[in-house]
Amino acid sequence: KQEVTQIPAALSVPEGENLVLNCSFTDSAIYNLQWFRQDPGKGLTSLLLIQSSQREQTSGRLNASLDKSSGRSTLYIAASQPGDSATYLCATETSGSRLTFGEGTQLTVNP
Amino acid sequence: EAGVVQSPRYKIIEKKQPVAFWCNPISGHNTLYWYRQNLGQGPELLIRYENEEAVDDSQLPKDRFSAERLKGVDSTLKIQPAELGDSAVYLCASSAPIDTEAFFGQGTRLTVV
Repeated sequence: KQEVTQIPAALSVPEGENLVLNCSFTDSAIYNLQWFRQDPGKGLTSLLLIQSSQREQTSGRLNASLDKSSGRSTLYIAASQPGDSATYLCATETSGSRLTFGEGTQLTVNP
Repeated sequence: EAGVVQSPRYKIIEKKQPVAFWCNPISGHNTLYWYRQNLGQGPELLIRYENEEAVDDSQLPKDRFSAERLKGVDSTLKIQPAELGDSAVYLCASSAPIDTEAFFGQGTRLTVV
């Protein structure tokens, strides 16, 4: 059974700082890994999808990397802004299209 | 293009009462998921549909939960009777065939009192 762990559980940084969120998973036989953002009381917004054959994906100030063999992914956020404050979730898709989520990292960017 | 639409957004019911949630996925997405998210935790899969077939319902508490996806489009998730521990956010998601992004609705926040 896939287990996904996210570290840290919470992170508070000053505006403008670059930061890294970590995601690890136990079963490396994944089809893809997806990073989501969740604002309080809202659903999930997809940020980046990395296919199992890819090493990284970029979108604006976000860069996600994937190392399948070690069961790790990182989400890099450059020049953080207060509007980036949210919970960030990673999820792996494995056999049977099952998305397994971590518990998320709650990010606060202080002005 | 409209995203995944869920209703209602909020629901408060007394324990032992029934409740139903509705989901309209993105047009053309044949895969539909129902997830439950407890406060401070990641979503957990309840059931996954491929078209109208439930292909993964291993984590659905079948004694009180049921779901259907008629005609392979809209889906309804029902709880009867509801318990206090069912208070959570119920999320619906859809995706195209395997290996593509999953898109989530805004969720239904259920409070059982």
